[in-house]
Amino acid sequence: AQSVTQLGSHVSVSEGALVLLRCNYSSSVPPYLFWYVQYPNQGLQLLLKYTSAATLVKGINGFEAEFKKSETSFHLTKPSAHMSDAAEYFCAVSANTDKLIFGTGTRLQVFP
Amino acid sequence: DGGITQSPKYLFRKEGQNVTLSCEQNLNHDAMYWYRQDPGQGLRLIYYSQIVNDFQKGDIAEGYSVSREKKESFPLTVTSAQKNPTAFYLCASSIGGVVHTEAFFGQGTRLTVV
Repeated sequence: AQSVTQLGSHVSVSEGALVLLRCNYSSSVPPYLFWYVQYPNQGLQLLLKYTSAATLVKGINGFEAEFKKSETSFHLTKPSAHMSDAAEYFCAVSANTDKLIFGTGTRLQVFP
Repeated sequence: DGGITQSPKYLFRKEGQNVTLSCEQNLNHDAMYWYRQDPGQGLRLIYYSQIVNDFQKGDIAEGYSVSREKKESFPLTVTSAQKNPTAFYLCASSIGGVVHTEAFFGQGTRLTVV
């Protein structure tokens, strides 16, 4: 069975600081991995996805994530946080199935 | 513009009533999904459909029903059997297939039981 664990339900950073949101997955077959962002009372928007090509994936709004098979991780990073990055972020996994499994989400707060 | 439209944005239901949430997409996607979102629990899959006239239960299907009579539409009915229906409901679609491709989401419907 597949699963995703997001460590830290809340992360707070100062504007301009590094953003690091953690995601670990469990899958018996090579996974496809996704990061989505959700602003209040809205749907989810895809930030980036890993589909077994390059292990370092670049997404929108300056975010990137690195697939590390040895650590079963797919952490999301951004070098310098903006106030507009404040939102909830979801990691998701799909592997040899027609379903997408989501983590419980991490709420990012950015302080001036 | 192509996309997914959910309506209404806010919905209030009296206890014991059935309500239907609408989801329409013009992306020509085969697969459609319904998720329920509760604080701290992420998104949980209610039902999904890979093709017209076919759908499967997700992880929390009890108290819900769906239909897929048209490729563009995948309405969700929250029945009176759903004991705790207050939540944010999200509809999504994707091209489909065994390996899940990118899912596109609607703006959600917030359902409140009054």
